[in-house]
Amino acid sequence: KAGVTQTPRYLIKTRGQQVTLSCSPISGHRSVSWYQQTPGQGLQFLFEYFSETQRNKGNFPGRFSGRQFSNSRSEMNVSTLELGDSALYLCASSGPGQGNYGYTFGSGTRLTVV
Amino acid sequence: QKEVEQNSGPLSVPEGAIASLNCTYSDRGSQSFFWYRQYSGKSPELIMSIYSNGDKEDGRFTAQLNKASQYVSLLIRDSQPSDSATYLCAALQGAQKLVFGQGTRLTINP
Repeated sequence: KAGVTQTPRYLIKTRGQQVTLSCSPISGHRSVSWYQQTPGQGLQFLFEYFSETQRNKGNFPGRFSGRQFSNSRSEMNVSTLELGDSALYLCASSGPGQGNYGYTFGSGTRLTVV
Repeated sequence: QKEVEQNSGPLSVPEGAIASLNCTYSDRGSQSFFWYRQYSGKSPELIMSIYSNGDKEDGRFTAQLNKASQYVSLLIRDSQPSDSATYLCAALQGAQKLVFGQGTRLTINP
């Protein structure tokens, strides 16, 4: 069974640009969450989607947005990139068989803003 | 006060010994708790989940939950060098949001 797939694995962007990251959940999983991981702040929740609806959002500025498609694939977008947005962005999916919301993470997208 | 707190370590344990990792949480509404293992440069991997007070065992791993004390722990028996990693404690808030501690870096010394 394929795991959570995130693309691309690595990205280098310039300040002020925007970026779109993609996540394909495990087949059959309908809940997709996004997290940002930095050495200073650790793992922080960005948002969660279920059946194309955002159910929860973390404390991030409006430059961070996301969406989910009917096939449960999800994208997150960061506009007007800042140096502080450099981080590992992780997508996680949850669904039947995970047992009460255990989330499986993808390999992540390492974003570097220069 | 952080919502989920862990000792950042590093915690150093000799091979074959028991490694004990601890975590406290502040939200009494949290009902589900998870331990993730993260190797350097990799993404977190779910190793244990626990929802009820008491112990839950899976192979060499035992998770313990005490909701009255708002305390979660992970014991690793017969520690192996391959267990060297950062261990992340997470509490589920509102059924959708995982809140993570800062992680405990564990080193198993051969």
